Formats: sequence, structure tokens, C-alpha cells
Amino acid sequence: EAQVTQNPRYLITVTGKKLTVTCSQNMNHEYMSWYRQDPGLGLRQIYYSMNVEVTDKGDVPEGYKVSRKEKRNFPLILESPSPNQTSLYFCASSLSVWPGQGNYEQYFGPGTRLTVT
Amino acid sequence: GQQVMQIPQYQHVQEGEDFTTYCNSSTTLSNIQWYKQRPGGHPVFLIQLVKSGEVKKQKRLTFQFGEAKKNSSLHITATQTTDVGTYFCAPNRDDKIIFGKGTRLHILP
Repeated sequence: EAQVTQNPRYLITVTGKKLTVTCSQNMNHEYMSWYRQDPGLGLRQIYYSMNVEVTDKGDVPEGYKVSRKEKRNFPLILESPSPNQTSLYFCASSLSVWPGQGNYEQYFGPGTRLTVT
Repeated sequence: GQQVMQIPQYQHVQEGEDFTTYCNSSTTLSNIQWYKQRPGGHPVFLIQLVKSGEVKKQKRLTFQFGEAKKNSSLHITATQTTDVGTYFCAPNRDDKIIFGKGTRLHILP
């Protein structure tokens, strides 16, 4: 089954304790992305990756790191979490972002609800 | 940077009534996608629009891309309780995908 998986689904942590949220897709997609969703603000892109070893900042990258060592995995790293990073996080993947390369719908993971106290 | 305004933010309709959400941009868009997110769920892709003036239909849903490619709309005919959720437009900006803030649709039985 084609899917994007995220772990953990729920996490409560304390300020300053490093954490990693994993994301994996089994569709051989080139493009992967992380979003955070906050009430009234919609989905905001944190980081994205066009392919292995290629990552770039989205609109809200501060306080986050990512890596793309393998095509299927795109972990999100919070080196020193703070309460303002309490949010719902979604990982997504797509074949591409360019319409010239066909349908590029994004497949989203189930989400990770993070609380930083 | 490119911003998209999605209106309305909330919409309550009686079951069976029509619903429309609009996505407006100050700049010309190369393409736009629409997603639906059910309460407690994750966004799910609905459609992508690329051509100026494009109209696409999916059963009771009609998607339009403006002639100037600065706006788009999603229209649902005769809403049903299964239509409940938040609808997002998501244009592409270079390599990034920018989501509107969404329109939350609530259906009154």
C-alpha cells in the first residue's frame, strides 16, 4: 500500500530536549516536505527536499533541521524544542512539484502532534 | 513573497445547499492544487489546475482556475454531511507549495 508514515504520532516533551520525528514513504517520490499546522494559520511549509541530499527552507524553518540521506526518509529534527513549536506536524511526499512532469499530488502522513512544555 | 487569500474562513450551510470557497493571489500562479482535510485527519489531494480558465469536475465538486491565473474556486453542489472538513488551495511557488489558510465547512443537518 502506497503510504507516508510518521513516528511518533503523539509526543509530549520538555523545552530543550532534542527530538526527531521520522517520515518515510514507499512510493519512490523525489519531493518530500514538512509542514506544521496551527489553528487559524493553515499549513506552513518548514523544509522541503527535491531529492537525496537536496534540502531547502520553507516559510518557517527556524528551530528545525532536516536531512535526506535516503530517498524514502526525511526526518525532522528539533535540536532544542521550545513551547512555540507545539503544533501538529505533517510530512508529505510527491513525485515532483512541476506540472510538466505529470500529476504531482502530495501524499500526507497521518500527522504528529507535538507538545513542548 | 507570494501570498494566497482564501475566503471565507468558515462557512455553515444547510445540508443540500451549495458551497463555494475562493482562493485569490496578488501574483499570477503557475498552477494550483486543492486539498480536503476531514476533522482529525490529514490533507487529501483533490485536484490540480494548470491551464488558464480551466474547469474540472468531480461529481458534485467543480474547480475553476481564473483566466488570469490569479484566482481559483471550488464549488460543491448540494452539500452532504460527508463534505464536512477544511478545504485548502495550494499554489506552487517555485519549488515550494504554499497553502491557503483554508475554509472550514460545517454542514447543518
